[in-house]
Amino acid sequence: NAGVTQTPKFQVLKTGQSMTLQCAQDMNHEYMSWYRQDPGMGLRLIHYSVGAGITDQGEVPNGYNVSRSTTEDFPLRLLSAAPSQTSVYFCASSYSWDEGQPQHFGDGTRLSIL
Amino acid sequence: ILNVEQSPQSLHVQEGDSTNFTCSFPSSNFYALHWYRWETAKSPEALFVMTLNGDEKKKGQISATLNTKEGYSYLYIKGSQPEDSATYLCAFIDNFNKFYFGSGTKLNVKP
Repeated sequence: NAGVTQTPKFQVLKTGQSMTLQCAQDMNHEYMSWYRQDPGMGLRLIHYSVGAGITDQGEVPNGYNVSRSTTEDFPLRLLSAAPSQTSVYFCASSYSWDEGQPQHFGDGTRLSIL
Repeated sequence: ILNVEQSPQSLHVQEGDSTNFTCSFPSSNFYALHWYRWETAKSPEALFVMTLNGDEKKKGQISATLNTKEGYSYLYIKGSQPEDSATYLCAFIDNFNKFYFGSGTKLNVKP
């Protein structure tokens, strides 16, 4: 039972490089989201999706793109990495947004931008 | 930007002590309030989902209450054990599908 799988677990990038953080879930969850976790700031919502083909911006969307072509996958793209994007990134999913379903989190991706 | 505040930021208690923390959130556009437990080197795990004013939830020695009119939720741990040591996060969910997490309360229970 894989749950929410994030890859890679660690990544180091140079300023200006682009990359995609992968997130996949095998629970047929409709709602998926991406967060970044910075010291003293808790989890901040970057982008989220309530179903395939539907995405929306969260609290801190600048510098990130997402797409949701399938129910299972919700990749997060960094277009041109900046040192300010050094963070730990978490992907989460829930059965639906409706009824306030709890989120299931992946193990996180630790990203460093030099 | 919506503020969800948790207090205290950290707490050190002895095994057997009871403790409680607070999550404050806006009283408008409320849809749900979640509590998560986050152990070091793991990912957050859901404790409670609360949707109605006056809700009270309990799981073992941990319980939570919700007041949506004044915008706060309390998490109580009765008789803390070292394995309760973790960061406890609350998340406010608004009517527009968005989650807003507090920065958490870090609990350390000493044997």
